[in-house]
Amino acid sequence: AQTVTQSQPEMSVQEAETVTLSCTYDTSESDYYLFWYKQPPSRQMILVIRQEAYKQQNATENRFSVNFQKAAKSFSLKISDSQLGDAAMYFCAYRDLIQGAQKLVFGQGTRLTINP
Amino acid sequence: ETGVTQTPRHLVMGMTNKKSLKCEQHLGHNAMYWYKQSAKKPLELMFVYNFKEQTENNSVPSRFSPECPNSSHLFLHLHTLQPEDSALYLCASSRDGTRGPDTQYFGPGTRLTVL
Repeated sequence: AQTVTQSQPEMSVQEAETVTLSCTYDTSESDYYLFWYKQPPSRQMILVIRQEAYKQQNATENRFSVNFQKAAKSFSLKISDSQLGDAAMYFCAYRDLIQGAQKLVFGQGTRLTINP
Repeated sequence: ETGVTQTPRHLVMGMTNKKSLKCEQHLGHNAMYWYKQSAKKPLELMFVYNFKEQTENNSVPSRFSPECPNSSHLFLHLHTLQPEDSALYLCASSRDGTRGPDTQYFGPGTRLTVL
């Protein structure tokens, strides 16, 4: 079974600085999707960024980028120029590419605090 | 953030009560999901519906009973719950759960407390 591990329960960063959140996963599949979701204190989970495993180029979305290391099964999220609004729980998630597979497997989450 | 709505937002119930959680999506999606989010545990997928048909039941106890009358609405009927069922219950929807990256959009959740 696929598993997703986020080894940092909590992280903090100074406003305007850069922070990297770690995520590792375990799978025997070669094609799959990876996601980072953000859950602010208001609780509504929103997608931050996603990566297709068959694409070698790392995904970027404005200040958010990933470092996808397929061989190491690592998928870290880098947040540049951190803002107070980035404070939230961040969840890494995995999904098989198998047609019909709908299961998202989530990590335990990392609580990110932004210090002004 | 109004694409997926959930009611009620908070619910307190006794172990002998029967209650229902409601989820509605306004995104024209065909797949809907129930997740359980407990403190210090990863989100747990409970049920998946695709085009109103249940396609996943992640070994959920029968005291949780889902219902999907159409692609826009999803219910979770609760009866004889246990205190350990207290959690945040999240609903999500996606365009088509069977293919592609298919981003899931989440509702704000129902905070359930079982006394």
